Amino acid sequence: EVQLEESGGGLVQPGGSLRLSCAASGFTFSDHYMDWVRQAPGKGLKWVGRIRNQVDRYTTDYAAAVEGRFTISRDDSRNSVYLQMANLNAEDTAVYFCVRTDRGSYYPFWGQGTLVTVSS
Amino acid sequence: SFQLTQPPSVSVSPGQTATISCSGDKLDYKYSSWYQQRPGQSPVLVIYQDMKRPSGIPERFSGSNSDNTATLTISGTQAMDEADYYCQAWDDSTGVVFGGGTKLTVL
Repeated sequence: EVQLEESGGGLVQPGGSLRLSCAASGFTFSDHYMDWVRQAPGKGLKWVGRIRNQVDRYTTDYAAAVEGRFTISRDDSRNSVYLQMANLNAEDTAVYFCVRTDRGSYYPFWGQGTLVTVSS
Repeated sequence: SFQLTQPPSVSVSPGQTATISCSGDKLDYKYSSWYQQRPGQSPVLVIYQDMKRPSGIPERFSGSNSDNTATLTISGTQAMDEADYYCQAWDDSTGVVFGGGTKLTVL
């Protein structure tokens, strides 16, 4: 059974930093691209970014709204992907989901998400 | 940047057919996917690569993509189908894009 478990969310002050983690199991983690998607309270889904697999040299892409502030990394030995967030602002308040990306850029599996609240 | 446009809301009577549209420039040249999200839950993939259904998704869910518009069709809509639905596609310049979401009401 595929499982994705996000952790690391919480309350952070504007301008602060936070690191989210996602532990994956039930599939060959190293084969897959992994994305982060977020959802602000009462709002729609928004893509945050992607990290590719070793075959594609672990390259990353980011949404314009987070480019330069967020960094995605992965540790295939730990079946984990990470989202390092810096210079956070109120607009970054959201539930953050870790998702496995399948060919064609669709997401068959989602975690439960972790809530990040940016507030003073 | 690439955008996907969905109607904010769609209403349907139980047993009838619901259609939710998703439009975007040259969308028919890209693969589209659809997600269902019930309140307080994580999204669930219901259609991928325009018209394929994941295992466990009822046959009443179907998809199509032509003329810059992807469409999610729910035949014989049930009360349990009431949820928010999001379309999604990949654009080489923008990355992954989601539509704004459509609230499906079954009444």
